[in-house]
Amino acid sequence: QSVLTQPPSASGTPGQRVTISCSGSSSNIGKNPVNWYQQLPGTAPKLLIYSSSQRPSGVPDRFSGSKSGTSASLAISGLQSEDEADFYCSTWDDSLDGFWVFGGGTKLTVL
Amino acid sequence: EVQLVQSGAEVKKPGESLKISCKGSGYSFSTYWIGWVRQMPGKGLELMGIIYPGDSDTRYSPSFRGQVTISADKSITTAYLQWSSLKASDTAMYYCARQADYYDSNTYPLRAFDVWGQGTMVTVSS
Repeated sequence: QSVLTQPPSASGTPGQRVTISCSGSSSNIGKNPVNWYQQLPGTAPKLLIYSSSQRPSGVPDRFSGSKSGTSASLAISGLQSEDEADFYCSTWDDSLDGFWVFGGGTKLTVL
Repeated sequence: EVQLVQSGAEVKKPGESLKISCKGSGYSFSTYWIGWVRQMPGKGLELMGIIYPGDSDTRYSPSFRGQVTISADKSITTAYLQWSSLKASDTAMYYCARQADYYDSNTYPLRAFDVWGQGTMVTVSS
């Protein structure tokens, strides 16, 4: 059971906007910024969003992140077939000596 | 180019020992934490532990403490993950990842695993 809770699946059609939620607690998301990782099939995870809403260089602006209270969200607009992947939220938990925690992951299917 | 290159896939029997590696290049290896992440077949990401190669300060997730050993040799910019006695339940993909911890150009804190190795598949089967 993951410390951060994500829906196991999400889906959308090309061009649509999809959001993925990540729920935590006051000791993790409530206090610390959230990162999002994208894992394309058969590949290593890749940093997609850091500091809750910032995109690393090279990440399209179709991807955006936000945080409010003890929850965070990843939004993907203009959905494309190549966005089909697993997405993980992550932050560190002050009740675990600042250790990193991950969500269970959300599999995004582009219909 | 900043990269982490991991050792190749391994097939082992229960009870055997194993040490896999993660070689960093293109950056100051000693000054970034390296984490090891387990991904069991069809499952999510779990951080096992992290090490600071500069002084080998190591921290383990409670779930993995005593089950594995993380080490690093900064002279050859390589981090390691080792088992003394493998179990079938250790079958998984293992990733190493660099933990960035600085402020970006817009003064946002970038504290995340920003560079990942390609993964090492470990299969434990009798």
